[in-house]
Amino acid sequence: DTGVSQDPRHKITKRGQNVTFRCDPISEHNRLYWYRQTLGQGPEFLTYFQNEAQLEKSRLLSDRFSAERPKGSFSTLEIQRTEQGDSAMYLCASSPGDLAFFGQGTRLTVV
Amino acid sequence: GQSLEQPSEVTAVEGAIVQINCTYQTSGFYGLSWYQQHDGGAPTFLSYNALDGLEETGRFSSFLSRSDSYGYLLLQELQMKDSASYFCAVDQAGTALIFGKGTTLSVSS
Repeated sequence: DTGVSQDPRHKITKRGQNVTFRCDPISEHNRLYWYRQTLGQGPEFLTYFQNEAQLEKSRLLSDRFSAERPKGSFSTLEIQRTEQGDSAMYLCASSPGDLAFFGQGTRLTVV
Repeated sequence: GQSLEQPSEVTAVEGAIVQINCTYQTSGFYGLSWYQQHDGGAPTFLSYNALDGLEETGRFSSFLSRSDSYGYLLLQELQMKDSASYFCAVDQAGTALIFGKGTTLSVSS
């Protein structure tokens, strides 16, 4: 399978714990995006990488969220001190330029 | 800032034609794309317009008017499997791909 893969697919965590998600993009794609999606809403932009450089981060993103893309390959998204409001589907997408290919997402539930 | 507006819901019957509109306000516009998302699934790419006019891909077509900051997705010969959410998204120059809130399409027999 050469698509975008995300791990884990599901994560249940207690409020206050830290969580980390991984995204493996399509190998030749230089752009990588992280989005958050809640029920009935569109994907909400979180952050964007061009190769290993994080070029943009949403102003809605608190400092509890951090993302990395070492060596321009896979990426990780970490949420520290999780809150119930962080419960959502976290989607990763990679792009060669014009269009994005999404992974299946990581569904986070904070209890 | 940037914003995209699309209807929240559209209903239609099998075999019909439906048009989903999208208006946008953004800077550094490169193009408008459309994605389909079934319940529980990931968004999948349908179509992309960088230039004015109509792009046709099978039963789906997409239109863009840059001067009007407007586009639409046209779905023909609707099938039950087309029931899904449809999102327009703006590709901004060198920055993020920004999505609308989506249109839920319900196709009935």
